[in-house]
Amino acid sequence: DIVMTQSPDSLAVSLGERATINCKSRQSVLYTSNNRNYLGWYQQKPGQPPKLLIYWASTRESGVPDRFSGSGSGTDFTLTINNVQAEDVAVYYCQQYYSVPYTFGQGTKLEIK
Amino acid sequence: QVQLVESGGGVVQPGKSLRLSCVASGFAFNRHGMHWVRQAPGKGPAWVAVLLSDGITKYYADSVKGRFTISRDTSRNTLYLDMSRLRTEDSAVYYCGRGYDSNGYFPNYWGQGALVTVSP
Repeated sequence: DIVMTQSPDSLAVSLGERATINCKSRQSVLYTSNNRNYLGWYQQKPGQPPKLLIYWASTRESGVPDRFSGSGSGTDFTLTINNVQAEDVAVYYCQQYYSVPYTFGQGTKLEIK
Repeated sequence: QVQLVESGGGVVQPGKSLRLSCVASGFAFNRHGMHWVRQAPGKGPAWVAVLLSDGITKYYADSVKGRFTISRDTSRNTLYLDMSRLRTEDSAVYYCGRGYDSNGYFPNYWGQGALVTVSP
């Protein structure tokens, strides 16, 4: 199984500032034949299902504000939230879909300072 | 618009069985892989199973392999998860998710979930 490890477990950011969440996979999730990273990011608010934000490591899902961006390749990935808003308070998860079982990171809780 | 509605959750004793259903609408059901993902209280999501669009290819998490079966009825646009020999650690909210494409990969739409509680 591909183990996904996120850091930090939680972070507090002031409104309007930048939040950076990291995700590391124990093995590469880059499929070299198509140069795609099989990595997605989700946002989950209390009482709601996860919501897809980013897929293929850096493609923003339709309707997701452009202050959310994803980067990285191979084993190291980052979710960046610029100009953090109050509605961004949530838990964020990365997930690899390179190979089954499709594993999630443990989550990063974002709070407002 | 895409809608996924789960049902069939409830309280069940260890060792018993339960069937979850997920009715899909707003998209071509037979063209997408479909997932089940669960989330225990206070924990992160854990992927359970995927059924590819061919309706035949299935993959499972090791923790449920041999006990859970994913299937679908395209005439009813419904995804199922048959769960048998349930354990207390299977207690969770179970979400169905529409896969990105025919291979499934990641869920890009999720239902609201069905709560399964396995308790003596």
